[in-house]
Amino acid sequence: EIVMTQSPATLSVSPGERATLSCRASQTVSSNLAWYQQKPGQAPRLLIYGAITRATDIPARFSGSGSGTEFTLTISSLQSEDFAVYYCQQYHNWPSWTFGQGTKVEIK
Amino acid sequence: QVQLEESGPGLVKPSETLSLSCAVSGHSISSAYYWGWIRQPPGKGLEWIGSIYQSGTAHYNPSLKSRVTISVDTSENQFSLKLSSVTAADTAVYYCARHKSPYYGSPAIDYWGQGTLVTVSS
Repeated sequence: EIVMTQSPATLSVSPGERATLSCRASQTVSSNLAWYQQKPGQAPRLLIYGAITRATDIPARFSGSGSGTEFTLTISSLQSEDFAVYYCQQYHNWPSWTFGQGTKVEIK
Repeated sequence: QVQLEESGPGLVKPSETLSLSCAVSGHSISSAYYWGWIRQPPGKGLEWIGSIYQSGTAHYNPSLKSRVTISVDTSENQFSLKLSSVTAADTAVYYCARHKSPYYGSPAIDYWGQGTLVTVSS
């Protein structure tokens, strides 16, 4: 099983500031990585797939980078609606898909 | 607009079988997509359970494979999950979802249901 490790567990950021979230895979997943946003009581929402491609209707302030085992999700200027939990997911190893444990982005 | 809606009992007794259905609207389940289940224990992260194609070919998380069955009903445009021999560790919000084929393109999960909480307790 490919283990996905996200850091930090919690990120405290002021509105308007930049947030950088990390995701590390225990072995290479190439670019087969997605990022999701989850707000309390809601289902996750796809933000990024293929490590770098924004999903439909996702604002340009969200960007993804990386390949292999190291990945980053950057939110360039945090808006109030961006405070949530973010998960990375590898879909490289079918059918053993795995998610990271999540990073909570909270208001500083 | 694709919509998915889970339904089923919210309470299941230990050792029994958890059964959920997912009704799909706004999209044919017979299209070239996979339909899957993901769960999330209260306050915890996400776990992929398995997915099925319109043909009925299903793929499961190896850690749950011995207890999971996913089936599809194209006439009703819905698919279902059965998880046998449940314990308290299976208490979670269960989501149904859609993704593209893992054999080409990017199979990220693009549509999710709202989720349904299933509690395992006597």
